[in-house]
Amino acid sequence: AQKITQTQPGMFVQEKEAVTLDCTYDTSDQSYGLFWYKQPSSGEMIFLIYQGSYDEQNATEGRYSLNFQKARKSANLVISASQLGDSAMYFCAMRAPQGGSEKLVFGKGTKLTVNP
Amino acid sequence: DVKVTQSSRYLVKRTGEKVFLECVQDMDHENMFWYRQDPGLGLRLIYFSYDVKMKEKGDIPEGYSVSREKKERFSLILESASTNQTSMYLCASSLLGGTYGYTFGSGTRLTVV
Repeated sequence: AQKITQTQPGMFVQEKEAVTLDCTYDTSDQSYGLFWYKQPSSGEMIFLIYQGSYDEQNATEGRYSLNFQKARKSANLVISASQLGDSAMYFCAMRAPQGGSEKLVFGKGTKLTVNP
Repeated sequence: DVKVTQSSRYLVKRTGEKVFLECVQDMDHENMFWYRQDPGLGLRLIYFSYDVKMKEKGDIPEGYSVSREKKERFSLILESASTNQTSMYLCASSLLGGTYGYTFGSGTRLTVV
């Protein structure tokens, strides 16, 4: 079965510094997709970045980049130049086949606090 | 702007009541999902549907059922609400194989008293 592990329940970072949020995954599938979502205190889930298992380059979206190490089964999120508005819960997720369709399996999340 | 709309933001129900949580999407997505979110447990999949009238159990389906009579609407039903079903419920939709992940609704915070 597919599994996502986020080992950092909480992280603190100073404004303008970079921070790495850890994510490891477990799957026996050859083709899969990895996602990161941000959930501010308001509750909405915001899609940040996607990495496909066959993508050779690490995904980047503005200040977000995904450090994809396939052999280690890790997909860490790097946020550069942290801002106060980055304070939120962050979830790593993996797309997994299910019957004739698919589902997203989520980790337990990391709460990021950006200090001024 | 594409949207997933959940009918209620906050809901308070009594133990034993039958509860309906409604979700509507306007993106013509095939897949729709109901997740439950609890502190320290992340998001757990309750049920999902990949087509009208089709449904599949997720990881925690006990105590819940679902209905999808139209492509745009996916309902979560608590047949007899219990206090351990107090939680945040998130609906989502997606295209099969999409690279942008899921589009989520704003969530329904259900309290069962």
